[in-house]
Amino acid sequence: NAGVTQTPKFRILKIGQSMTLQCTQDMNHNYMYWYRQDPGMGLKLIYYSVGAGITDKGEVPNGYNVSRSTTEDFPLRLELAAPSQTSVYFCASRGAMNTGELFFGEGSRLTVL
Amino acid sequence: TQLLEQSPQFLSIQEGENLTVYCNSSSVFSSLQWYRQEPGEGPVLLVTVVTGGEVKKLKRLTFQFGDARKDSSLHITAAQPGDTGLYLCAGGSSASKIIFGSGTRLSIRP
Repeated sequence: NAGVTQTPKFRILKIGQSMTLQCTQDMNHNYMYWYRQDPGMGLKLIYYSVGAGITDKGEVPNGYNVSRSTTEDFPLRLELAAPSQTSVYFCASRGAMNTGELFFGEGSRLTVL
Repeated sequence: TQLLEQSPQFLSIQEGENLTVYCNSSSVFSSLQWYRQEPGEGPVLLVTVVTGGEVKKLKRLTFQFGDARKDSSLHITAAQPGDTGLYLCAGGSSASKIIFGSGTRLSIRP
C-alpha cells in the first residue's frame, strides 16, 4: 500500500544545477500538489494539477516547472537551483471529492549550496 | 490573493490547560481542513469542516467553522504532551487549489 512516493529523500545541489523531484501515487487520484516547507513554517503551494495534461501555478511557482503526463506521476523540476530553494518539498494527492483528504509523501529535503 | 493566517504562531502551555488556535482569512472557503504534522513527516488530516457554523469534535479537540466560512478555530481541552506538534489549517475557495496557513507550533509541558 504505497500511497504517495517521493524521490529522492535528500539531495544537495550546487547553485545553478538542475534536478527533478519525482512523485508517484497509486491511488488513482485526480488532484496532485507540490508544496515547499521552510523550517518552522507552514506549507506553500508551488504547483498543482487537476488531472493528466492540466497544471496550474500556486502561490510560489517561480523557479519551478511541472508536468502531468499520466495520472500517477507529477514531477517537479528545478532548472537553476538557488539557495532560496533550500527547503523540504512535499508532494500530495487527493481524490475527486471537494472535501477529500490530502495524502502526503514523506518529503524531499533539498539543500542548495 | 487568498491567504490563511494562523494565530498564535507558537504556544507553550502546561499539561492540563486548555488552548485555542485560530485560522482566519478575508476569503470565503468552500471547505477547511486541520492537519497535524510531526517532525520529519508529512501532515496528517484531523478534520474537514464544510458548512458555516459547523462544529466537530474529535476526543478532546473541538473544531469550528465560522458562519461566513472565512475562519475556523481549534480548541484543545486538557492538553497532553502527546498533543505537541505543528497544527496547520488548509482550505480552498475552489475544489482544486488548496493552500495552508502559516502553522501553530504547540508545545505541552508535563
